[in-house]
Amino acid sequence: AQSVTQLGSHVSVSEGALVLLRCNYSSSVPPYLFWYVQYPNQGLQLLLKYTSAATLVKGINGFEAEFKKSETSFHLTKPSAHMSDAAEYFCAVSPTGFQKLVFGTGTRLLVSP
Amino acid sequence: EADIYQTPRYLVIGTGKKITLECSQTMGHDKMYWYQQDPGMELHLIHYSYGVNSTEKGDLSSESTVSRIRTEHFPLTLESARPSHTSQYLCASSGSDSPEAFFGQGTRLTVV
Repeated sequence: AQSVTQLGSHVSVSEGALVLLRCNYSSSVPPYLFWYVQYPNQGLQLLLKYTSAATLVKGINGFEAEFKKSETSFHLTKPSAHMSDAAEYFCAVSPTGFQKLVFGTGTRLLVSP
Repeated sequence: EADIYQTPRYLVIGTGKKITLECSQTMGHDKMYWYQQDPGMELHLIHYSYGVNSTEKGDLSSESTVSRIRTEHFPLTLESARPSHTSQYLCASSGSDSPEAFFGQGTRLTVV
């Protein structure tokens, strides 16, 4: 069965600092991987997706993620945090795409001035 | 504009009442999903549908039921609400041309 593990339920950074949110996946086949963001009292918004093309994926709001098969990882990064980045972030996997997503437990990003 | 809509956004209801949470999408997607989100943020798939007249239970057991009579509509029903049903319910859809799911704004249900 496919699953994702997000390390750290909370991550705190200062404004302007590097953001690194970790996600490791478990899949028996090359997966499709996603990062979503959720702001308070909102649904989930897609940040970026990996679909077996380029291993470095760029998304919205300056975020990017790198697919590393050898490490079974898909960590999310942003060079410089902004106060508006404070939100919940979810990593998700779909075994072959076009199927139901399995989500990680989420990471709350806190950004301090 | 293509989108996915959930109504109501917030609902406070008494124990034992029957409720229906509405979800509609205008993107022509064949697949639709209901997720339950606990206060601790984790999302659990409770129902999904890959097309009209097709519904399946998800990974988390739920007392709710769903129907898919029309492609664009995927309502969720609780016959008798209980305080344990208090949660946020998120509807999503996906199509055959891209693998990601698109989410509605969610319905925050409180059963008192």
